Amino acid sequence: DAGVIQSPRHEVTEMGQEVTLRCKPISGHDYLFWYRQTMMRGLELLIYFNNNVPIDDSGMPEDRFSAKMPNASFSTLKIQPSEPRDSAVYFCASSLWGGIGIETQYFGPGTRLLVL
Amino acid sequence: KQEVTQIPAALSVPEGENLVLNCSFTDSAIYNLQWFRQDPGKGLTSLLLIQSSQREQTSGRLNASLDKSSGRSTLYIAASQPGDSATYLCAVSAETSGSRLTFGEGTQLTVNP
Repeated sequence: DAGVIQSPRHEVTEMGQEVTLRCKPISGHDYLFWYRQTMMRGLELLIYFNNNVPIDDSGMPEDRFSAKMPNASFSTLKIQPSEPRDSAVYFCASSLWGGIGIETQYFGPGTRLLVL
Repeated sequence: KQEVTQIPAALSVPEGENLVLNCSFTDSAIYNLQWFRQDPGKGLTSLLLIQSSQREQTSGRLNASLDKSSGRSTLYIAASQPGDSATYLCAVSAETSGSRLTFGEGTQLTVNP
C-alpha cells in the first residue's frame, strides 16, 4: 500500500480564498483523522471519522472549517474563507477498525498551507 | 483536560551514546501511549505503542516504558546514530479526552557523528 496520500503537498493562497485539502487513507482503514500542526500549539486533532461518519469534531477551530468523507477512500478538509492564522501543516492519518484507543495511526506527509 | 509534557525540548548527543527521552501526562486513565518520530518536512511515524496494561515495549534499539500511576513514560534509545536525528513525540489516548490522541510538543534530537 502507498500509505496515506495527501494533496496538495504545499498550498499558498491569499486571505479570503477557499482552500481544500485532500486525503486518501490506507485501504481497509475505517478511521480517518485530520490534524493541524503549528509551532505555537503543536499537533492538534481537528476531527475524526469512523466508517465515513464524523465522530468528534470538537477540535475544529470555527465554522470556517469543514470536513467531509463521502466514501471510504477520500476525505476533504475545507477552509472558507481562509485567514493568515490558518497557516500550518495539516496532516491526515488513518487506522484500522480497532479504534483510536487501540490501534496505531498512520500519518500522511502533510499539506503545508500558507495564507498570505 | 489531558496535558502531555516532554522533556527536554531539544537534545544533542554524540554518536554511540545511550539516551532517554521523557514524557509525562496529567490524566492516568489512558488507553495507550505512543511514541512517534517526525523527520523535517515529513509526517509522523509510529515507533512504539504501549497499551495501558503493559509496562514496556521494545523495537530494536528502542525501548519505551510506561508507569501509568505516576503519569510517566520514557523512550530509551541505545547506541544512538546520526540517522536517529528527528523530533520524537509522545501521545496518549485517554478516556477523559474522548479517546482522541493528545500530543506532547516533542523532543528535537540531534545525534552528531
